[in-house]
Amino acid sequence: SFDLTQPLSVSVALGQTARITCGGSNIGGKNVHWYQQKPGQAPVLVIYRDSDRPSGIPERFSGSNSRNTATLTISRAQVGDEADYYCQVWDSSTAVFGGGTKLTVL
Amino acid sequence: QVHLVESGGGMVQPGRSLRLSCAASGFTFNRYIMHWVRQAPGKGLEWVAFISYDGNRKYYADSLKGRFTISRDNSMNTLYLQLNSLRADDTALYYCATDGQGEYFFDYWGQGTLVTVSS
Repeated sequence: SFDLTQPLSVSVALGQTARITCGGSNIGGKNVHWYQQKPGQAPVLVIYRDSDRPSGIPERFSGSNSRNTATLTISRAQVGDEADYYCQVWDSSTAVFGGGTKLTVL
Repeated sequence: QVHLVESGGGMVQPGRSLRLSCAASGFTFNRYIMHWVRQAPGKGLEWVAFISYDGNRKYYADSLKGRFTISRDNSMNTLYLQLNSLRADDTALYYCATDGQGEYFFDYWGQGTLVTVSS
């Protein structure tokens, strides 16, 4: 099965840029999607198809995907961005999630 | 707006069965692929199953080994998940989710229904 590797945690200073990576073999050839999950809440889609943003998601959220790494970038990080973030791909008729990254805004 | 409400969760003994439901509203249900995703307490997201618009195609996570069955009733705007031979490691919050544009991502989620498998 396809494996996605995310760092367990990422910290960012308030107002700075956070980057959360998602590693996978030739992931650049797949569409990568990102979800934000705050405690006690259902996940929310924040990026789909590598870099598209659903309506209602701030422009501060952006995504990229190349070769073996996809990246979720959160600019001007806010306290409200603190959450778990998951990447996801579709491979061989199954959905695969990364293990999740806890974002802390300092 | 899209509204998904899961139900049917609860506490069940190992080896028993349970059927989860997901009531959908606010969109044309029979035009959407649907999924189940679960999350064990304190753990990450795990995809469970997929069903096509008409119910003719179904995919499952390999780890389930045929114990779960996804189905839908488009006349009732309802998605189902039959859970059989339940084990302690099936304990999780089970979410239903719509598929985004037929591209295998999850754009709308319900709030989940909790399944606890314990003797």
